[in-house]
Amino acid sequence: AQKVTQAQTEISVVEKEDVTLDCVYETRDTTYYLFWYKQPPSGELVFLIRRNSFDEQNEISGRYSWNFQKSTSSFNFTITASQVVDSAVYFCALIPDDYKLSFGAGTTVTVRA
Amino acid sequence: NAGVTQTPKFQVLKTGQSMTLQCAQDMNHNSMYWYRQDPGMGLRLIYYSASEGTTDKGEVPNGYNVSRLNKREFSLRLESAAPSQTSVYFCASSDSRGNQPQHFGDGTRLSIL
Repeated sequence: AQKVTQAQTEISVVEKEDVTLDCVYETRDTTYYLFWYKQPPSGELVFLIRRNSFDEQNEISGRYSWNFQKSTSSFNFTITASQVVDSAVYFCALIPDDYKLSFGAGTTVTVRA
Repeated sequence: NAGVTQTPKFQVLKTGQSMTLQCAQDMNHNSMYWYRQDPGMGLRLIYYSASEGTTDKGEVPNGYNVSRLNKREFSLRLESAAPSQTSVYFCASSDSRGNQPQHFGDGTRLSIL
């Protein structure tokens, strides 16, 4: 069985501050995939990024960056220069090479103007 | 460009009533999923269908049944609704196994009195 832990329940920042969301996972599988999803106040779930267990290359995409460290089972997500539109619940998720996606409890990010 | 469509968007039921939530996708995906989202718990997998003609239990299947009607449609049925099933239900689809991101519908908010 796998488990995803997002220890931060809520984060509140002022616009233009950086925000880092922590994600720690547990799995016995050697092949697995990690995801970040965003859920804005409107309620839909938006896919942000996917990483597989063999790809530890970190990535920057615009104001978003991801830090995947297999040695510490962490897959952290950073928003640089946050904006009010970044206010949402962010979910980290893990799936082995099958169909059962496991979500963390989510971190609510509030960006104040 | 509809993606994953869920109906209805909102529903109120009385305890003991039955109801079917409908889901359809137009992305020609093989796999479809039903999740429930409760406050502070992230999303939990109820049932999934890896391919047309197959269904399997997820993490919280009790009290639910599913039908993969065809490749496009995957319905979730509550035979005798209970207040504990008050939740937001999400349908999702993906091309295949875990290495592909799941695309979510907008959710159905279900209240059981």
